[in-house]
Parts: sequence; structure tokens; C-alpha cells
Amino acid sequence: QVQLQQWGAGLLKPSETLSLTCGVFGGSFSGYYWSWVRQPPGKGLEWIAEINHSRRANYNPSLKSRVDMSVDTSKNQFSLTLRSVTAADTAVYYCARSLWDCSVTSCSYVMEVWSQGSTVTVSS
Amino acid sequence: QSVLTQPPSVSAAPGQKVTISCSGSTSNIGNNDVSWYQQFPGTAPKVLIFDTNKRPSGIPGRFSGSKSGTSATLGITGLQTGDEADYYCGTWDSNLSAGVFGGGTKLTVL
Repeated sequence: QVQLQQWGAGLLKPSETLSLTCGVFGGSFSGYYWSWVRQPPGKGLEWIAEINHSRRANYNPSLKSRVDMSVDTSKNQFSLTLRSVTAADTAVYYCARSLWDCSVTSCSYVMEVWSQGSTVTVSS
Repeated sequence: QSVLTQPPSVSAAPGQKVTISCSGSTSNIGNNDVSWYQQFPGTAPKVLIFDTNKRPSGIPGRFSGSKSGTSATLGITGLQTGDEADYYCGTWDSNLSAGVFGGGTKLTVL
């Protein structure tokens, strides 16, 4: 049974860089996409980015200029970096395992395993 | 502003049926499979439906999914008070090359 456990700083000041890492325990790292999703207080889910073991990544266009993802396949870990944070980046951040499969005509996409989430607060 | 549109809230009595809609476009729902997620307060989302109409192991048959054109629907029959939660639709957007979610629907079982 795969489990995802994440860690990183929970309190940041405006203009600082958010860094979160997610460890994958009890399952294969290859063959999946590894994603980040966030949820501002009282609001809905926002997809941030994803990456696979080959370092192929996709990013939310609205965040792409500030976001990077990386993987460390030797440790079964993947990371999120979000630069120049503001109060609007305050949210619960989740990492997730995604199944993403696109044919010529359609894509199947599901975030099937989620971490427990961690709160990141941006405040001066 | 979410790419996918859901009603903010729905309600129904215990034992009844409810449907939650999710509207999108040809670049997302119209050409890609849809997933549905259930989220209780303070917890992570959980997959209820994937590939538009498939249930993961352990999800009761009371939950079903369907799609027509650029809209998808989650159906829940035999409502229970334990079904009170927020429900999100999600899919891949081929134009954005990104995952997208609906804004979420709060289900109240009266």
C-alpha cells in the first residue's frame, strides 16, 4: 500500500521561496506521474504541477513562471519549489500519485493516492 | 475561477438520490475522462470515480459517474448522512496541458 509523506516549511514571508518534498513509501516510483495540488482556506482544489521519473513535467499555466518540480529517483522523492510567494499562496498543499495516459484522441487522468497535506502560511 | 463549473451546493434527504454536474469544454471533459473526488473537512480528497464511470475498489455502487458531451455527472443513490462532504470533478485539459478541477460542490443530507 503506497503512502505519501510530505515535509517542508510551513511559515514563509512574502517574496520567499516555498519548498516542499514528498516521499513515496511502499510502492513503485516509475510508471506514474507525481503531482502537487493546493487548497486555499475555504476554497477549492487547484492543480499545480506534475512530474514523472523521467523528469517530464507539466505546470499550471497560471503558476508556471514561479514553479519548478524535481525528482530524486534514488530516494523515491519529488519536490515543489514556488518562488516569490505572496499571501495568495497560503493554502494546504497536497502531493499525490497520478495516473496519466493519453492516446491520440483522449486522456485518462486521475489522482489516485494523496498525502495528508500540509499547511503553508505566507505572512509578514 | 475554475476551468470546470460545478454547483456550489446540493441537498437531498436521506435515502434519496442526488446528482452533481460538472461542465467544461471540448479541451477537457469533451475529449478526456473525468474523475470525481470526495473530501471531508480537514482531510485529503479521495477518488470516488475515475475514467468517467469506474469505481476504485472499496467504493460502494451507490456512487456512479457519467458523461455527455462537455458535461459530466456524479450520481449518489441511497443518501446517507455520512455522504455529507465536498465533491470535486477533475480531468486533463489538453489545451492547457494541465490538470483541472471544478470549484467543488457541498452536499448536504437533510
